[in-house]
Amino acid sequence: AQSVTQLDSQVPVFEEAPVELRCNYSSSVSVYLFWYVQYPNQGLQLLLKYLSGSTLVKGINGFEAEFNKSQTSFHLRKPSVHISDTAEYFCAVISDGGFQKLVFGTGTRLLVSP
Amino acid sequence: GAGVSQTPSNKVTEKGKYVELRCDPISGHTALYWYRQSLGQGPEFLIYFQGTGAADDSGLPNDRFFAVRPEGSVSTLKIQRTERGDSAVYLCASSYRREETQYFGPGTRLLVL
Repeated sequence: AQSVTQLDSQVPVFEEAPVELRCNYSSSVSVYLFWYVQYPNQGLQLLLKYLSGSTLVKGINGFEAEFNKSQTSFHLRKPSVHISDTAEYFCAVISDGGFQKLVFGTGTRLLVSP
Repeated sequence: GAGVSQTPSNKVTEKGKYVELRCDPISGHTALYWYRQSLGQGPEFLIYFQGTGAADDSGLPNDRFFAVRPEGSVSTLKIQRTERGDSAVYLCASSYRREETQYFGPGTRLLVL
């Protein structure tokens, strides 16, 4: 079965600084990876996804992620964060059972302060 | 257009009671999913519907949990004889097809006293 590890439960950063949120997954034959963001009292919103092709994936709100097969990682990055980026970020992988099961990590809370 | 909606947004019940949680998917989406998010955890898959049928219910924790989607649109998650451990946020998602992006609703926060 697939699994996802988000080592950082919380990442504090100052506004306009760069940030990287780490995600590692268990290996499998085919891997499809996702980053979702959850703002307070809102549902999960897709930031970006990797299905195939270029390993550098660009998403919404200036975020990007790089798929690294040898390191089984899919870290999320942003060169300059805003206060409004404060939220919970979840990395997810499609399970061996098929496209219907997203397997999520435990999440990383990004705290952006002025 | 309208996104996925879930009602109620909050539900408080007593141990042993029966609850129903409702999900209205995005219009035209054939696939519907339920997830459960416990405090400090990521969402965990419960069940997946393709149309009216439950194509995968392997995530349901036990037989107290049941879900239906009788007309292939609205879905109801039913929990019998609730336990305190059932307290969590229950998330619903839908997608146009199984392999498409899943769009999530805001969730129902269930508290069992």
